[in-house]
Amino acid sequence: DAMVIQNPRYQVTQFGKPVTLSCSQTLNHNVMYWYQQKSSQAPKLLFHYYDKDFNNEADTPDNFQSRRPNTSFCFLDIRSPGLGDAAMYLCATSRSSGGRLETQYFGPGTRLLVL
Amino acid sequence: RKEVEQDPGPFNVPEGATVAFNCTYSNSASQSFFWYRQDCRKEPKLLMSVYSSGNEDGRFTAQLNRASQYISLLIRDSKLSDSATYLCVVNRGGYQKVTFGIGTKLQVIP
Repeated sequence: DAMVIQNPRYQVTQFGKPVTLSCSQTLNHNVMYWYQQKSSQAPKLLFHYYDKDFNNEADTPDNFQSRRPNTSFCFLDIRSPGLGDAAMYLCATSRSSGGRLETQYFGPGTRLLVL
Repeated sequence: RKEVEQDPGPFNVPEGATVAFNCTYSNSASQSFFWYRQDCRKEPKLLMSVYSSGNEDGRFTAQLNRASQYISLLIRDSKLSDSATYLCVVNRGGYQKVTFGIGTKLQVIP
């Protein structure tokens, strides 16, 4: 049973055309993350939510925004995709208690192609 | 110095061999450690957490050396299905301070 679901699995967009990637989870985890992973590179954390609290990584471009309307859903908005934004975007969830990281569960990812 | 460093490989080993990977971390305050496996064009999946006392899961053994600031993963009796990239993950404390290594690519050959 899928626990972290990402849609779409593949997304093609045009240079500068806004795109939204979605993530949903059935684990009821309080923390949700968005990572960007380019070929042969480590997943790079863009931002995360602890409940409704949004936490941006310092080097995440302003072009990337996120929304978490409820516990189950989280969205990644790329306002003006550039060619350099082509990557796999991974959503992950975890349960955090007492400030300690529990295991992260990843969705299958959305592969973004920018033309 | 990178926060988490791994040899990207590839490590090409014959079936049945034993192979070990190391991952070094720079922050001595790091608290928890994990090994994830990532198949080509797929998402990372947890292989095992790494405990201070070391832990074993079947053919896989993970160890932590705090003094030298590295974790290791040992795979015994390698199978073709073990071919993947193995990502080291370090948590510096709290749910948000998570850093991935670049991963070590393992190719098990018949």
